[in-house]
Amino acid sequence: NAGVTQTPKFRVLKTGQSMTLLCAQDMNHEYMYWYRQDPGMGLRLIHYSVGEGTTAKGEVPDGYNVSRLKKQNFLLGLESAAPSQTSVYFCASRYLAGRADTQYFGPGTRLTVL
Amino acid sequence: QQQVKQSPQSLIVQKGGIPIINCAYENTAFDYFPWYQQFPGKGPALLIAIRPDVSEKKEGRFTISFNKSAKQFSLHIMDSQPGDSATYFCAASKGGSASKIIFGSGTRLSIRP
Repeated sequence: NAGVTQTPKFRVLKTGQSMTLLCAQDMNHEYMYWYRQDPGMGLRLIHYSVGEGTTAKGEVPDGYNVSRLKKQNFLLGLESAAPSQTSVYFCASRYLAGRADTQYFGPGTRLTVL
Repeated sequence: QQQVKQSPQSLIVQKGGIPIINCAYENTAFDYFPWYQQFPGKGPALLIAIRPDVSEKKEGRFTISFNKSAKQFSLHIMDSQPGDSATYFCAASKGGSASKIIFGSGTRLSIRP
């Protein structure tokens, strides 16, 4: 049981390049989330999904796209990277049942855009 | 109305002291208030959580105090240890499968030996 895994762990891009971040969970959770973490800004929600084939915009969706073709995977795409997208990206899956409500986070992807 | 305001931004406490981190919210529809702990280089992990039907919850050395009328909640760490040094995030959400969790801006806590 690996929990939530993220690929890659580190990446350096040049402005204008594109890339895809992969998140995988093996806990059969319906809900998955992508956040970015910047100093002093906490965790800001980019996009989320409440089930396979569904996606929705979060607080800061511009410049990102997502897909949830399989329940266990949630992909985050950067179409044309900008220096403002330099950040640490976290994926999370969520267990929600009765009074239990827990988000399980991956280890993060540190992205630098030059 | 969706914000959760967290303070202080950073906190330094001597070992054995009781650090207190405070959070405030506006949306009275929120009904779940978790705290997440994040160590450097790692993702956040759920530490403790509370719902508005109780005013306090303890788990080991960690206590959440909840004041529904003031729309505030706080985390207390009893007998703090250097291993508690981490970033702490408060959060809030309202019930429902499509609900999002709104995070505070985080508090970087350092416990000095």
